[in-house]
Amino acid sequence: GAGVSQSPSNKVTEKGKDVELRCDPISGHTALYWYRQSLGQGLEFLIYFQGNSAPDKSGLPSDRFSAERTGGSVSTLTIQRTQQEDSAVYLCASSLAIGRETQYFGPGTRLLVL
Amino acid sequence: DQQVKQNSPSLSVQEGRISILNCDYTNSMFDYFLWYKKYPAEGPTFLISISSIKDKNEDGRFTVFLNKSAKHLSLHIVPSQPGDSAVYFCAAEANFNKFYFGSGTKLNVKP
Repeated sequence: GAGVSQSPSNKVTEKGKDVELRCDPISGHTALYWYRQSLGQGLEFLIYFQGNSAPDKSGLPSDRFSAERTGGSVSTLTIQRTQQEDSAVYLCASSLAIGRETQYFGPGTRLLVL
Repeated sequence: DQQVKQNSPSLSVQEGRISILNCDYTNSMFDYFLWYKKYPAEGPTFLISISSIKDKNEDGRFTVFLNKSAKHLSLHIVPSQPGDSAVYFCAAEANFNKFYFGSGTKLNVKP
C-alpha cells in the first residue's frame, strides 16, 4: 500500500513569508508525528497527533509554528514569518497508534529560507 | 540540549566484517530505544528496538545491546553488506510519546 507522502518535496521561500507543509499518513494510522532535521543535527521532535488532537505542543520551536490535522488523516505544519534558522528537512511519520508502534516516515520536505 | 548522542558522524567497514554503531543517552527515564536506517532522499525506516527490561535484542544480522548503567546502546551488524551503507539514527523514548533522536552515523560498507 501507499506509504507516508509529503508535499512539497522542496520549498524555497523568502524570509518573512509563511509556508505550509503537508503530510498524508498511511491510511488507518491514527498517530502522526512531525520532526525536523537541521543540518548536522538529529531529528528534533516537534509535535504528535492522536487522531485530530495534539496533546502536547511544547516541542514546537516558537509560536510561529502551528500544526493541525483534520479528519484523522492529512496534517499541515504551518510556519509563519519564516526565519533563516527554520531551514531544515521537515519529516512526518505515522503509526497505527501512539506509543511504541513502528513509525513510518515520509521522504520529508526540504525547506530553505533565504 | 541533546539527550541522545551519536558521537561518530561516520564509520567505514569492509564487507563481511562487523559494523558497530554507538549511541549514548543522558536521560535515565528513557526505557525504550530504537534504531532507524536512512537512505538519501528517503525518510528513516525502522530497524530494531529494545526495551529497558532487556539488554540484547537480535534480528537476523542486526543486534542491539543496551547497557543501562552506562546509558549506552550499540547496534551490531554482522556480516556487513554494501547495501547496509546508510545513515543510522538511534532514538529513545520515555513513555510520553516523544522520541529523541541522535544526529546519526553514516555507515559506508566497502565491497
